Amino acid sequence: DAKTTQPTSMDCAEGRAANLPCNHSTISGNEYVYWYRQIHSQGPQYIIHGLKNNETNEMASLIITEDRKSSTLILPHATLRDTAVYYCIVRRIYGGSQGNLIFGKGTKLSVKP
Amino acid sequence: DSGVTQTPKHLITATGQRVTLRCSPRSGDLSVYWYQQSLDQGLQFLIQYYNGEERAKGNILERFSAQQFPDLHSELNLSSLELGDSALYFCASSVSGEGSPLHFGNGTRLTVT
Repeated sequence: DAKTTQPTSMDCAEGRAANLPCNHSTISGNEYVYWYRQIHSQGPQYIIHGLKNNETNEMASLIITEDRKSSTLILPHATLRDTAVYYCIVRRIYGGSQGNLIFGKGTKLSVKP
Repeated sequence: DSGVTQTPKHLITATGQRVTLRCSPRSGDLSVYWYQQSLDQGLQFLIQYYNGEERAKGNILERFSAQQFPDLHSELNLSSLELGDSALYFCASSVSGEGSPLHFGNGTRLTVT
């Protein structure tokens, strides 16, 4: 599975958009980009995933560059409850060790009042 | 609430002992995954089951074993426990092993003294 690179930490003001970048320059054509977050030792929470088109749901938007080598997770109006570690994961869908997620170190997002 | 139930929430035991962690997946989910999270290692994939059969194996020690039962619940057995086995153990489930998001429980915190 392709590896990802994320900043170790980021700050965001409450009410502003939080833009979390992820680099996955070795991504393959059959690999999706997934985003999860973990709030203080709770179980990781699924946020969103995508292949090559931009995706939006009630939690966030995912912007994937045309070459698929990087992506950005956008939380449109961050609240204090969005303070968490955010994981960007590239996951193979067909063949190989499909199914499991390989977590890196993620980005610690701190939302400040 | 992810719909994945893990019991017990906390477990304290002594070195050399054996414990069993239990996971009930979301209704309709056939795949179950186990992860270990310790302070210095991050989230590590242990093992995956799909409809009762082992599907993928990660960094699972020989002292650890798991199974998925006909009713789809799963158990993770940890034996000959060592201090270093102290960690959060998360279970996750998904509809199938083919790209559907994993949904995590809130974990079992194991403390080995």
